[in-house]
Amino acid sequence: DAGVTQSPTHLIKTRGQQVTLRCSPISGHKSVSWYQQVLGQGPQFIFQYYEKEERGRGNFPDRFSARQFPNYSSELNVNALLLGDSALYLCASSLIPGTYEQYFGPGTRLTVT
Amino acid sequence: EDKVVQSPLSLVVHEGDTVTLNCSYEVTNFRSLLWYKQEKKAPTFLFMLTSSGIEKKSGRLSSILDKKELFSILNITATQTGDSAVYLCAVHSGNTGKLIFGQGTTLQVKP
Repeated sequence: DAGVTQSPTHLIKTRGQQVTLRCSPISGHKSVSWYQQVLGQGPQFIFQYYEKEERGRGNFPDRFSARQFPNYSSELNVNALLLGDSALYLCASSLIPGTYEQYFGPGTRLTVT
Repeated sequence: EDKVVQSPLSLVVHEGDTVTLNCSYEVTNFRSLLWYKQEKKAPTFLFMLTSSGIEKKSGRLSSILDKKELFSILNITATQTGDSAVYLCAVHSGNTGKLIFGQGTTLQVKP
């Protein structure tokens, strides 16, 4: 079975631009979460989606948004990019929200110049 | 504010040594504690712990949770160079399944 997939692998953007990151969960998993990992730190929770609805949101500005599609894949959008948005963006999938294990994808490395 | 603290932040050992990584937490609405290994990019799931005192084992790795004292340990016996990685502890909080991560412990195993 394929694991969590993310695209693109790497991305370089300029300040002020917008970016869209994509994630496909493990087959059968209905919940997707997004995390931001800055170098040298643990991942920080951004969003969780389940059945196309937002179930949780971390302490991130409104420039960050996301959605989940009927096939449970998800997109993370970041507008008006800042240098501080440079990070590894990780997607995790789980069967449902709650006490189920979350499995991570390989991440998208975003560099903002 | 919810927080997860790992110690030590970094560790250098030689092959064959045994290491113990620590994770303490202060989180409202605790659901479970998870350990991950991160080598290059994707954190790889190791263990999920929900009950105190029940050890989980996988090969040379084992982990246990103490919900009274609010900590967990991850033990690695007979370390190998392939164990070199960042080990992340995360606590599952609330009904949304939000994971709160510690800073991670960087383990380097020398030949």
